[in-house]
Amino acid sequence: GAGVSQSPSNKVTEKGKDVELRCDPISGHTALYWYRQSLGQGLEFLIYFQGNSAPDKSGLPSDRFSAERTGGSVSTLTIQRTQQEDSAVYLCASSLDPPLRGAGEQYFGPGTRLTVT
Amino acid sequence: DAKTTQPPSMDCAEGRAANLPCNHSTISGNEYVYWYRQIHSQGPQYIIHGLKNNETNEMASLIITEDRKSSTLILPHATLRDTAVYYCIAPNYNQGGKLIFGQGTELSVKP
Repeated sequence: GAGVSQSPSNKVTEKGKDVELRCDPISGHTALYWYRQSLGQGLEFLIYFQGNSAPDKSGLPSDRFSAERTGGSVSTLTIQRTQQEDSAVYLCASSLDPPLRGAGEQYFGPGTRLTVT
Repeated sequence: DAKTTQPPSMDCAEGRAANLPCNHSTISGNEYVYWYRQIHSQGPQYIIHGLKNNETNEMASLIITEDRKSSTLILPHATLRDTAVYYCIAPNYNQGGKLIFGQGTELSVKP
């Protein structure tokens, strides 16, 4: 079946502009996660959705970052007033449930490469 | 998440077994060990997970020590396509399942 899809695959934007990144999870997956990976760095957790609610936003680096999920499916990560340090690959993952005792591995999309000039 | 420690890099000859170690000495009794890998320019890919018994699937085997303080991921016949960064993770389920990725082990499979 179809995996996690993300769009756009690449985005170049000027400093100060707003950007929206989209994630389409695997159908039926109730849990959705956003991560980012800066050049040469490990993956950093940003936010977690269970259904349409976000019980864990602890990884969002600043109030310029926000995310929403509608209909328990598609999610959008919005970065306002982008800065050069926001340049990274933004990855989305989904799972059937929040992993409970090994029941829910996460499936990752291909990512969106964001470059802020 | 339990802290995990992995060697930063390893080499393996094509066709030979790749054995990737991970230390997780602070793991709790109900925390599973997960392994993911990330091939260059792709999203991470789930490989395998286990609690205390050894596990095997079509991709790999996972050996967990009896005290659960360490584990080894085994790729029985490594191919060039297995060249990737391998991550060992022990997520804390009180944190909603988010994965905390360390630096992982960069495995290079050489012909």
